[in-house]
Amino acid sequence: DAGVTQSPTHLIKTRGQHVTLRCSPISGHKSVSWYQQVLGQGPQFIFQYYEKEERGRGNFPDRFSARQFPNYSSELNVNALLLGDSALYLCASSSRQGGNEQYFGPGTRLTVT
Amino acid sequence: AQKVTQAQTEISVVEKEDVTLDCVYETRDTTYYLFWYKQPPSGELVFLIRRNSFDEQNEISGRYSWNFQKSTSSFNFTITASQVVDSAVYFCALSNWDGSGNTGKLIFGQGTTLQVKP
Repeated sequence: DAGVTQSPTHLIKTRGQHVTLRCSPISGHKSVSWYQQVLGQGPQFIFQYYEKEERGRGNFPDRFSARQFPNYSSELNVNALLLGDSALYLCASSSRQGGNEQYFGPGTRLTVT
Repeated sequence: AQKVTQAQTEISVVEKEDVTLDCVYETRDTTYYLFWYKQPPSGELVFLIRRNSFDEQNEISGRYSWNFQKSTSSFNFTITASQVVDSAVYFCALSNWDGSGNTGKLIFGQGTTLQVKP
């Protein structure tokens, strides 16, 4: 079975631009979570969606938004990019809202110049 | 507040040595889950183990073993007879309880970089 997939793999954007990152969960998984991992640190929770509803939000500004589609895939949008948004963005899927192990995708490496 | 601390930033061992990665957590919840993930240079986080707060049994999986002690709020990870392929960053994580159920939010430690030399 295919694992979690994310696109694109790498992305270079300029300050002030907008970016959309995409994630497809493991087949049958209804929960998708997004994390930001800055170099040298552990991943930080951004959002969780379960059954197409937002179920959790981390300490990130309103420039960050996300949604989940009927097929359970998800998009993470970031507006007005800042240099500090440069990071690896990880998507994880899980079969339930909470408690279960989360399986991560390969990530999208975003560089803001 | 929930927090995970991995005090060891980097560990370097020679192949076949045993190595223990420390993890200390803080939570006020009585129900929670603990996890270990491996992040090789490719960047993808690989799930290793999940343990709930009511199960303090130690677990062994091949060369990997985990020691969960609620009394010291620790969930340590030991690799026996380390191999070069074990070189990676290892993260300990905590999933909390929001009153109505476990949330999907994972709180990660800073990670421990393990280098296994041949």
